[in-house]
Amino acid sequence: ETGVTQSPTHLIKTRGQQVTLRCSSQSGHNTVSWYQQALGQGPQFIFQYYREEENGRGNFPPRFSGLQFPNYSSELNVNALELDDSALYLCASSPMTGTPNTEAFFGQGTRLTVV
Amino acid sequence: AQKITQTQPGMFVQEKEAVTLDCTYDTSDPSYGLFWYKQPSSGEMIFLIYQGSYDQQNATEGRYSLNFQKARKSANLVISASQLGDSAMYFCAMSPFENRDDKIIFGKGTRLHILP
Repeated sequence: ETGVTQSPTHLIKTRGQQVTLRCSSQSGHNTVSWYQQALGQGPQFIFQYYREEENGRGNFPPRFSGLQFPNYSSELNVNALELDDSALYLCASSPMTGTPNTEAFFGQGTRLTVV
Repeated sequence: AQKITQTQPGMFVQEKEAVTLDCTYDTSDPSYGLFWYKQPSSGEMIFLIYQGSYDQQNATEGRYSLNFQKARKSANLVISASQLGDSAMYFCAMSPFENRDDKIIFGKGTRLHILP
């Protein structure tokens, strides 16, 4: 196990609702990245947080937002859910950005189903 | 823009045989990092191996080796002596930064089935 924990593991929401997904990063890691993995696809980078600030964003609309807390845990919020938001959401934590590191530690993911 | 291409949606391999999973990439960045991840049915991404774009030697990690051909922009994963537990999805991925795992771009993956 990597020490990165995500909650909840599964979630069912209705179109138009809002959802919050949570990630606790590995001890000593201050960078958290979020990815969306649709069924049958590879993960796509949503955004990254470093020391509580957004540090890069992929091609996702503003209704995808995030937070990072002083203990480096993180939340992913999605507003106005659409059916296409159904996916596995993966969180990855890394040591300090800017230092050599080649192994991101991923959580087990949250499977979101929008109906 | 960066892109990862994995052309093998699925592969069937006999246990104990070696297997090569193909990966080609496209980037205009002068330096980058290449990764392979394994994703079992549980969903967690498991890091396997890393290759920096300026590394002279191919990376190896136990039964995993990365056949890096920079001029061809390929980064194939070789698994020697395959085991039943190797059955999973395998993703090739790239970071726009060498020696960092930031903002990784993934391919669509190859599903590997190891046959007893």
